[in-house]
This record gives sequence, structure tokens and C-alpha cells, in this order.
Amino acid sequence: DVKVTQSSRYLVKRTGEKVFLECVQDMDHENMFWYRQDPGLGLRLIYFSYDVKMKEKGDIPEGYSVSREKKERFSLILESASTNQTSMYLCASTGQDRVAYEQYFGPGTRLTVT
Amino acid sequence: SQKIEQNSEALNIQEGKTATLTCNYTNYSPAYLQWYRQDPGRGPVFLLLIRENEKEKRKERLKVTFDTTLKQSLFHITASQPADSATYLCALARWGGKLIFGQGTELSVKP
Repeated sequence: DVKVTQSSRYLVKRTGEKVFLECVQDMDHENMFWYRQDPGLGLRLIYFSYDVKMKEKGDIPEGYSVSREKKERFSLILESASTNQTSMYLCASTGQDRVAYEQYFGPGTRLTVT
Repeated sequence: SQKIEQNSEALNIQEGKTATLTCNYTNYSPAYLQWYRQDPGRGPVFLLLIRENEKEKRKERLKVTFDTTLKQSLFHITASQPADSATYLCALARWGGKLIFGQGTELSVKP
């Protein structure tokens, strides 16, 4: 059974803290994605990666960075957390056919920044 | 810019009826369109994919249509059950496997 796991289900951080969200997939997928989901706005793409050490900005990259040192792991970093980054964060992965393949999502991390 | 719209209002139907959800898009010609189901507090789960040259796709009680002229996809659940209650998301494929998602439509099936 395919699996995407995220390091935490719930996280509470203070403004200005550096935050790491980890995502691991066991499907040997090349492509990995980070989204945030907010009421009324749907899922918005933050960053994605096509391969190890490759990364590209999505639609809302400001305030975030990513790291992909190993194929199975994709990390999202909030350099200095702010209250407007309170959100549900979802990681996803997909296989080589980048356009057609379905994305497999993790359970999400609900981050609260106070 | 690309825009996707789904029914913003929740859809409430009676068990056994057919639920129909709508996804409209503008300023885009996607090669593929996908539908996902999302339960509260969980990540989306892929349901169906339909290509631009396919008019209709079926999977068990699910049916998806794709009208590239109208720029619209319809998602049907026949013989709906309370267990079908969830939020349903449509997503358009962009280059490189990226998806752009609609806001989702919440479906509630009453027994």
C-alpha cells in the first residue's frame, strides 16, 4: 500500500521561529509537492521538486523554502514563521508521467503560529 | 490567469439519489482533469482522471464528463450513500505534473 507520511499532524509554533515540515514517500516517486490549504482558497502550490536536489517555486513560495537531499524525503522550511502561515500543509508525490499521474497525499500537518 | 470554480455551496441530497458536482475553468486548456475526495482532517484521495479526448469516464458508481468546449467537468455519484459525504475537489493538470485545484464542493448525503 502506497504511503506518504508527514512528520506531525499538529504543530504550534511562535512567530519568528524556524519551522521544518517533513514528508516521506515510499513509492520511489520522482515528483514531490508542498501545498497549503485554507478555507475558501483551496489547495495552493508552494514548491515542488522533480528530482533530488531539484526544486521549483509554485504559486505562493514567499516565506518558504524547501530541501530535497534524498529521493523519498521533501522538507518544507518556514524560515521565520508568521501568523499568516497558520494553515493546513499537505505533501504529495507522483510518478514519472508528470501530467497524467494522480497525486498521493499525506495526512497533512495543521500548523498554528501564535 | 487560470481559474477553476466549483459549487461553493454545500450540496445536500437524499440517500439513493444521484449527486452532480460541477467544475468550471477559464483561461486554460488542460490535457487532463482529475477528481479527488477529501474527508475532514485528511489529505485528498485520487478518484478519477479524464483526458481531453475523452467525453466520459466511469468507475463503479462514479461518472465524470469533460466538455472542453464548455470548459466544464461534471462529477456524478449514482445511488449515493451517507459514506459518500465528503468534500470533492477537481484539479486541472498543468505542465510538469503540477495541478491547480478548485476550492472543493462539500457533499452531504442524508439517510
